[in-house]
Amino acid sequence: DAKTTQPNSMESNEEEPVHLPCNHSTISGTDYIHWYRQLPSQGPEYVIHGLTSNVNNRMASLAIAEDRKSSTLILHRATLRDAAVYYCPRGSARQLTFGSGTQLTVLP
Amino acid sequence: NAGVTQTPKFRILKIGQSMTLQCTQDMNHNYMYWYRQDPGMGLKLIYYSVGAGITDKGEVPNGYNVSRSTTEDFPLRLELAAPSQTSVYFCASSGQGAREQYFGPGTRLTVT
Repeated sequence: DAKTTQPNSMESNEEEPVHLPCNHSTISGTDYIHWYRQLPSQGPEYVIHGLTSNVNNRMASLAIAEDRKSSTLILHRATLRDAAVYYCPRGSARQLTFGSGTQLTVLP
Repeated sequence: NAGVTQTPKFRILKIGQSMTLQCTQDMNHNYMYWYRQDPGMGLKLIYYSVGAGITDKGEVPNGYNVSRSTTEDFPLRLELAAPSQTSVYFCASSGQGAREQYFGPGTRLTVT
């Protein structure tokens, strides 16, 4: 069964970069790597996705290992509003399975 | 655009009652999804739909039913509510390619 592993929690100081890791132990060759986040009392929010190459958008960067068995979500300058649970769900785009994610705390 | 809207925001049901959770999207997305999120846990997929008239089971479909008669609407039906269905329910939609899912604000359901 495909599985992703993330640390339960991480801390960062405000305005510093944050690197959130995810291990994809059995990702299939055609599955994209997705990242979502969930702010307190809100629905999840799409952050970024990629297949093999590193990706950038206005919210974050995604670094994908060459063997695709791990990825890192990079927030270049964390703000207090980035405090959330970050998920790297496994599976195909139509059937994503979300684990417990990483609770990111941003310290002022 | 309102995006994905869900009603109601909160609901308390007694054991054995039934209800329908409403979900509507105005982005003309083909794909729609229902998830549940138990306290402190991640989301679990209940049902999904790839277009009007087509639905499929997700990871935890037991106790739920769905229909998709239009592109916009994807209601989730709970029959014979049980305490184990106490959860927050999220509806989501995505466009062609299904790469980015847009989530609604959720419905908090308590069954007592």
